[in-house]
Amino acid sequence: KQEVTQIPAALSVPEGENLVLNCSFTDSAIYNLQWFRQDPGKGLTSLLLIQSSQREQTSGRLNASLDKSSGRSTLYIAASQPGDSATYLCAVLNSGNTPLVFGKGTRLSVIA
Amino acid sequence: GAVVSQHPSRVICKSGTSVKIECRSLDFQATTMFWYRQFPKKSLMLMATSNEGSKATYEQGVEKDKFLINHASLTLSTLTVTSAHPEDSSFYICSARGQARVYTQYFGPGTRLTVL
Repeated sequence: KQEVTQIPAALSVPEGENLVLNCSFTDSAIYNLQWFRQDPGKGLTSLLLIQSSQREQTSGRLNASLDKSSGRSTLYIAASQPGDSATYLCAVLNSGNTPLVFGKGTRLSVIA
Repeated sequence: GAVVSQHPSRVICKSGTSVKIECRSLDFQATTMFWYRQFPKKSLMLMATSNEGSKATYEQGVEKDKFLINHASLTLSTLTVTSAHPEDSSFYICSARGQARVYTQYFGPGTRLTVL
């Protein structure tokens, strides 16, 4: 059974810092991996989706990498801003017949 | 991207009543829908998976008589919380997957249920 772990559970950084969020998964036979953002009391916003054949994806200040064989992904946020404060969730998809499996998330606070 | 809506966005009810939450795929046919539950500051927990026209498959520990799921059409699934109790208070999020894009899940905005 796929299990997804995210470290750290919470992170507080001053504005402007670059930071890395980590995600690991137990079953490396994934189809894709996705990073989401969730603001308090709100739904999910998809940030980046990496197919299993890809090594990384970039969108603006965000860069997500995937090392499928070792079961790891990182989300890199450059020049963090207070508006980046949210919970970041990592989720993996094993096949078209299975649902996304989520990690517990990393709660990020960027202090002005 | 594809759009999934949920209604209502918030509901407050008395203990013992039943609450129905609707999930609609607005611009695609959702062959599979998923219902997740999220407690405060916790991650999403899959409750059940439903395929259009079939009975839902519930995850271990989720009471199917408590959480009734209907997926009668390719654009609508409903979750009914029967005889709600305060411990059912949670954030419920639906997700849909289409026939054309089976490897992409689209998420609704969630429904906040508070049972008094």
